[in-house]
Amino acid sequence: DAKTTQPNSMESNEEEPVHLPCNHSTISGTDYIHWYRQLPSQGPEYVIHGLTSNVNNRMASLAIAEDRKSSTLILHRATLRDAAVYYCILRPRVAGGTSYGKLTFGQGTILTVHP
Amino acid sequence: GAGVSQSPRYKVAKRGQDVALRCDPISGHVSLFWYQQALGQGPEFLTYFQNEAQLDKSGLPSDRFFAERPEGSVSTLKIQRTQQEDSAVYLCASSLLAHANTGELFFGEGSRLTVL
Repeated sequence: DAKTTQPNSMESNEEEPVHLPCNHSTISGTDYIHWYRQLPSQGPEYVIHGLTSNVNNRMASLAIAEDRKSSTLILHRATLRDAAVYYCILRPRVAGGTSYGKLTFGQGTILTVHP
Repeated sequence: GAGVSQSPRYKVAKRGQDVALRCDPISGHVSLFWYQQALGQGPEFLTYFQNEAQLDKSGLPSDRFFAERPEGSVSTLKIQRTQQEDSAVYLCASSLLAHANTGELFFGEGSRLTVL
C-alpha cells in the first residue's frame, strides 16, 4: 500500500484556521485520499475524501496538489472539539471484485487546540 | 442507537484466558472490519468480512485470533489463551458497500482489553 507522511503534532488556537499537511509521493492514479480523525477514547470518524479535485463538506476542506503527491486538510475555524489525531490515508483501487479498499492507518497528526 | 455497537467496552482478562468481543454493525452494512489499536499507535487492520465471508484475515497476528460473522450481521472476535501483548483497543467498523474505495467506514467506540 502507498504510504503517507504526516507531522507528528500541530498546535492551533481556537477560532483560527488549521492546515494539516500530508505527503503521499507514491500515490497511484486511482488511490483515493481519505481523512479520518480520532477523538480521545473514541473510534475514528470520517472527515472527508477526494481523488483529484478539491473537496468541501460541513466539517472541512481538502486541497489536493495538482500532481496528487500531497494534500492538505483545512479546518476553517478550529474549536476545542477539533482536538484529535488526524489520519491521512490512501485507499487503494477496487478492481475485479477482489479488492475492497482497505484503510491502512499510519501514526497521524495530533492536533492540539488552545483556548 | 443507529451506530456501530461494541461490547464489552472494557475487559480485563488473566493471561491464558479466552475472550470474545462482539460487534453489532449498522443494519444493512455489507462490509465489516476489525482493527487493533495499541496505546499511542494508529489502528492496525486485523480482518475484513463481506457479509458472512471473511475475505481477508491477513492482519490477524496469530492463530490464537479468530473472527466470525455467521449470518452476515453481528461479528465476534475471539482471542484464545490471551497474552499481555494482546492488550489493546479492538475497533470494529462497518460500511454500507463492498468493493468501494469511497464509502465511509463507521467505527464503534472499541473494546479495551487488558491482559494481566
